[in-house]
Amino acid sequence: DGGITQSPKYLFRKEGQNVTLSCEQNLNHDAMYWYRQDPGQGLRLIYYSQIVNDFQKGDIAEGYSVSREKKESFPLTVTSAQKNPTAFYLCASSIAPTSTDTQYFGPGTRLTVL
Amino acid sequence: RKEVEQDPGPFNVPEGATVAFNCTYSNSASQSFFWYRQDCRKEPKLLMSVYSSGNEDGRFTAQLNRASQYISLLIRDSKLSDSATYLCVVNLRHGSGNTGKLIFGQGTTLQVKP
Repeated sequence: DGGITQSPKYLFRKEGQNVTLSCEQNLNHDAMYWYRQDPGQGLRLIYYSQIVNDFQKGDIAEGYSVSREKKESFPLTVTSAQKNPTAFYLCASSIAPTSTDTQYFGPGTRLTVL
Repeated sequence: RKEVEQDPGPFNVPEGATVAFNCTYSNSASQSFFWYRQDCRKEPKLLMSVYSSGNEDGRFTAQLNRASQYISLLIRDSKLSDSATYLCVVNLRHGSGNTGKLIFGQGTTLQVKP
């Protein structure tokens, strides 16, 4: 059963803590992405990776970090430097990072800072 | 000006109605176009790609006008289950090569009433 999984579904963090969101895919997709969605707003790109051991900043990378050590996995760390981390975080993947490829989304992680 | 702009919502329609959503995009380098559906507190799911020749999938019809940089989605015979937020998405070529970047509209909410 192929797809994209994200964990946890809900995450609560105290101010000043780093947290890591998991994203795994078994679709054999080369490209993976992290987005953030705030209420009433469109998705915004945080980081993306076109291939293993490579990643690039998106539009709002400050306060976030990623790694891509395996093709299947693209974890996102929300650091204490992120000023407003409460949001819905969505991971996506596509066969290749080209301008014509469809992206498919995982179920998301809702992060709340207490 | 936003890169992708959609009709302001919400749209409240009775079952069986026909409803149309419009979307404009600002960057002529946009390569591919999609409509995603997002249910409340869920991830976006691909509804359909949009082609220059127009395409239809059951009750859904999508149109693209590259000259006017305009995309539309028509839903005929609305069902209660069509209630969701519809996201207009363009895949923009950026950087060198054919790397793509998805740009999301903020979405238009549809509520179908019995």
